[in-house]
Amino acid sequence: QKEVEQNSGPLSVPEGAIASLNCTYSDRGSQSFFWYRQYSGKSPELIMSIYSNGDKEDGRFTAQLNKASQYVSLLIRDSQPSDSATYLCAVGAGGTSYGKLTFGQGTILTVHP
Amino acid sequence: GAVVSQHPSWVICKSGTSVKIECRSLDFQATTMFWYRQFPKQSLMLMATSNEGSKATYEQGVEKDKFLINHASLTLSTLTVTSAHPEDSSFYICSAREDPNTEAFFGQGTRLTVV
Repeated sequence: QKEVEQNSGPLSVPEGAIASLNCTYSDRGSQSFFWYRQYSGKSPELIMSIYSNGDKEDGRFTAQLNKASQYVSLLIRDSQPSDSATYLCAVGAGGTSYGKLTFGQGTILTVHP
Repeated sequence: GAVVSQHPSWVICKSGTSVKIECRSLDFQATTMFWYRQFPKQSLMLMATSNEGSKATYEQGVEKDKFLINHASLTLSTLTVTSAHPEDSSFYICSAREDPNTEAFFGQGTRLTVV
């Protein structure tokens, strides 16, 4: 069974610190990787996408992908209280299920002043 | 990012009635749309994948006769919950993307309450 695993948290960091969110996946054929942020009662919004090994930076966010270890992470620098939300890791399948997204259970992040 | 509009944002219906939810891609052509259901404090569960002009592919355990999906055009997909019951009360979210390996963008979600 293809799975995406995240630590459900909650992860609590002080304002200004770096928040590190982790995700592992079981399907080695996965082709695409995404991080979404979801506020309570709202639908997810895309933060980052990454398709190849290494780091990808966008503002305060950095996504890291290691396909050999089947691991993807999201770093949030200079965390703000407004970053408090649930972060969902999503993995796009390859092969016969090409492009189908599987979501992790989400990590709750709390940034306290 | 691309805009996906979902309507209505919330709906209350009586048990036994049907409810239709619309999902529109406003500034791109969505070859694929997805429908998810999310219960409180749980992650998104994929219900079905629909490609324009073809029948939807339902996930295991999702009743295709209860959750009718139509993807008649490249910008519109609809989900109809037929004969709704209280256990169908949930947050239904659609997403759409232009290419199989690109980002999927989400609609605002529809909170369905069946009384």
